[in-house]
Amino acid sequence: DQQVKQNSPSLSVQEGRISILNCDYTNSMFDYFLWYKKYPAEGPTFLISISSIKDKNEDGRFTVFLNKSAKHLSLHIVPSQPGDSAVYFCAASDSGGGADGLTFGKGTHLIIQP
Amino acid sequence: DTEVTQTPKHLVMGMTNKKSLKCEQHMGHRAMYWYKQKAKKPPELMFVYSYEKLSINESVPSRFSPECPNSSLLNLHLHALQPEDSALYLCASSQVQLSGANVLTFGAGSRLTVL
Repeated sequence: DQQVKQNSPSLSVQEGRISILNCDYTNSMFDYFLWYKKYPAEGPTFLISISSIKDKNEDGRFTVFLNKSAKHLSLHIVPSQPGDSAVYFCAASDSGGGADGLTFGKGTHLIIQP
Repeated sequence: DTEVTQTPKHLVMGMTNKKSLKCEQHMGHRAMYWYKQKAKKPPELMFVYSYEKLSINESVPSRFSPECPNSSLLNLHLHALQPEDSALYLCASSQVQLSGANVLTFGAGSRLTVL
């Protein structure tokens, strides 16, 4: 049973508009959530994270929102740029620090159209 | 140096072969990870080494044998694999910290095909 779910395999957004990628989770023990971006033939690269005690974290064009009661988070990219076309993975961990690894969703393929 | 380097990028092997995947980082990270990713699936954690000691083994079959010779290197020894083991194998590293998000830095992966 998947603990981190990304239910949209793909998303197409026009350049300059907002991209919203969604993620749901089932494990209430998760306390950190991360977003990774992956280009073909490259490894995932870290984008942004959020602690479960916060509901928003912003870094430039990227903002992550967390709704803990709904076990839902979203990544907003605004404005979307052609270089944002990639697969985006939502990931979660259930401990602060340490080295316990991350649990990943299946990913959403974001396509930015000119 | 902010990279995790994985070799080889591609590997084709028969079911009776013995081969190894290698991973190297020079960021001073003391935790290293192996993940397996099949097409249209999320990366799945296989092994975690913390301070060169195996700390997590996610019930991985013994035909996969990890090794951490030192804090910069992580190997995955492969023997008697099955065709269903064909996948992208991702290595990652991270700091071991007392709190905060555990941010993993990934390599580009080794694409394994078992014939």
